[in-house]
Amino acid sequence: DTAVSQTPKYLVTQMGNDKSIKCEQNLGHDTMYWYKQDSKKFLKIMFSYNNKELIINETVPNRFSPKSPDKAHLNLHINSLELGDSAVYFCASSPLFPGNTEAFFGQGTRLTVV
Amino acid sequence: AQTVTQSQPEMSVQEAETVTLSCTYDTSESDYYLFWYKQPPSRQMILVIRQEAYKQQNATENRFSVNFQKAAKSFSLKISDSQLGDAAMYFCAYRSLTQGGSEKLVFGKGTKLTVNP
Repeated sequence: DTAVSQTPKYLVTQMGNDKSIKCEQNLGHDTMYWYKQDSKKFLKIMFSYNNKELIINETVPNRFSPKSPDKAHLNLHINSLELGDSAVYFCASSPLFPGNTEAFFGQGTRLTVV
Repeated sequence: AQTVTQSQPEMSVQEAETVTLSCTYDTSESDYYLFWYKQPPSRQMILVIRQEAYKQQNATENRFSVNFQKAAKSFSLKISDSQLGDAAMYFCAYRSLTQGGSEKLVFGKGTKLTVNP
């Protein structure tokens, strides 16, 4: 059973379109994240949610809107896609309490905007 | 804000030999976690090893070990007896403990490791 799963794994779309990426975790974690990995492989936090509440919004354009219907799901909707949005988007989750734990990552969604 | 620096964009090692990947970080916090993640061509992010800042003992996981120098803010990864399957991008990451439970990972830019047969 996949701990953190994202769909789709690949997404090719035209500029100006709106698209969504879905993420689900079955680990019972309280916190979920979206990270973006650019073409140079640099990974950066975009958002974090804690029990459906937005905690971190790291200067992301407001064309990106995360939604967390429950603590096991965190979706990412992107409006008016631009060429610069092409990247790999990773969903991750971790437990709420600080401790000897790491973030568990999904397999990533490679978004290509043409 | 915390920053993580990996000064080696690429490294190579012969199979069965040992290689060390460098990582330095900048923080004003005293408690935090440090991680090394591996990203093979499959794209999956895999935890290699973690280190708690309050522990003086260096973490080890089988062939992987770290040299954690808290005063120098250095966290290098040593891979012993390198195997072909170790070829991947390696990311050093910092995690704060002071964000109300929603600690984010701050990543370095990665080191691409090639293992030569």
